[in-house]
Parts: sequence; structure tokens; C-alpha cells
Amino acid sequence: GAVVSQHPSRVICKSGTSVKIECRSLDFQATTMFWYRQFPKKSLMLMATSNEGSKATYEQGVEKDKFLINHASLTLSTLTVTSAHPEDSSFYICSARGLSGNANTGELFFGEGSRLTVL
Amino acid sequence: AQRVTQPEKLLSVFKGAPVELKCNYSYSGSPELFWYVQYSRQRLQLLLRHISRESIKGFTADLNKGETSFHLKKPFAQEEDSAMYYCALKGGSEKLVFGKGTKLTVNP
Repeated sequence: GAVVSQHPSRVICKSGTSVKIECRSLDFQATTMFWYRQFPKKSLMLMATSNEGSKATYEQGVEKDKFLINHASLTLSTLTVTSAHPEDSSFYICSARGLSGNANTGELFFGEGSRLTVL
Repeated sequence: AQRVTQPEKLLSVFKGAPVELKCNYSYSGSPELFWYVQYSRQRLQLLLRHISRESIKGFTADLNKGETSFHLKKPFAQEEDSAMYYCALKGGSEKLVFGKGTKLTVNP
């Protein structure tokens, strides 16, 4: 199946700093990528939909100035957590849907996730 | 609004026993339903989708529009089935909405 890779898998930062997480589709082009946040023992919460070449669409309650998303190419989307605070500590997961093939079935391919810890 | 409910956070069965993971959904249109699985220390991956009507690793799931359910079933559970299982719904948009997940433990 298609492979989605996230980097870094773990990051620890100080409060007030910004952190960038990359999501890459390794063997297919992804016009749409999704960013999820997973809280401990809870489900995946969709944060935003990232569309190549256009602005991301954020879910209600997600601060777009806090969580900057850039989808500059068909294989890369980035999530930047700006001025991070301890409450931003979480597991962030991206997923991607390809241009063709599985796009009609709705299947998403997931990255391995990035655990952010803000001290 | 799209909503997925998985009523059981934890489910524990013995090896060889039947298992059913419940999923109910709320959506006014025609949904696409999926089951995703996350094995320990691995990424989330698709297990099956209702439009394929397929059996994967012995699991099946039937979409029941009358009961708005998409329960996941397997007649004989195996230890390697232990994992987190997420039911997901795709409505008219591109978004996939997940339930809170059920942790399945299959005991030897």
C-alpha cells in the first residue's frame, strides 16, 4: 500500500517555541492531507484538511494561527505549532489520500504519528 | 453532522471465541463506513470498508442502515487480533470522522 511518513516521530520543546512537523507521501501524490490530534485514551480529532496549493480548512475550535498548515507540494504537508504551550502536548497524526486509485474508495493512509511534548 | 459511536472502550475475549465490536453512526445522507485498526506500536491502517463487502483477516462488517450500525465481527478471535479498532465515517465531504475506539484484548 501507499506510504505516508511523518517527521519527527518525537519532539520535545520549551514553552513558547515553535515546532514543525512534516508529513510526506512517499510513493504517491496527495492532493489532500488531513491532520489529526489524538488525546490519551481518546479518539482522533480532525484538526484540518490540507489542500495542495490552497489554504487549509480548519475544523471548528482549532486555532489556525496556532496550528499553521502548509501544503506546498503534492507530497508534503507541514504542521507548525506556534508558540507551543504544555497543553499542546499531544500525538499528531497526518493522513493522505491519493490522486487516483484509492481516492474513490475513501481510504486514507496514515503516518506513524509525531509525539509533541512541550515543557 | 457526522457522528460515530463505539460504546465499548474495552473488550476482552478468549482465543477462539466470537468477537463483535459495535459501531453506530449518525449521518443524514449515504455514508461510507470503515474500520481502521492500530496494532501495538504501529500506525493506523485500514481493515475494511463497507463498499468492498470483503472479509479481511476473518473480520466482516455489514452496514445496517435501519439500525445505523456497522458492527465488526469475527467468529473465532486470535491473539494477534489484539489491537485498537476505530470505526470511521465519511460523509459528503472528504473528511473522515472517527469513533473513540475499542481496545480489543484476546486472551490465550
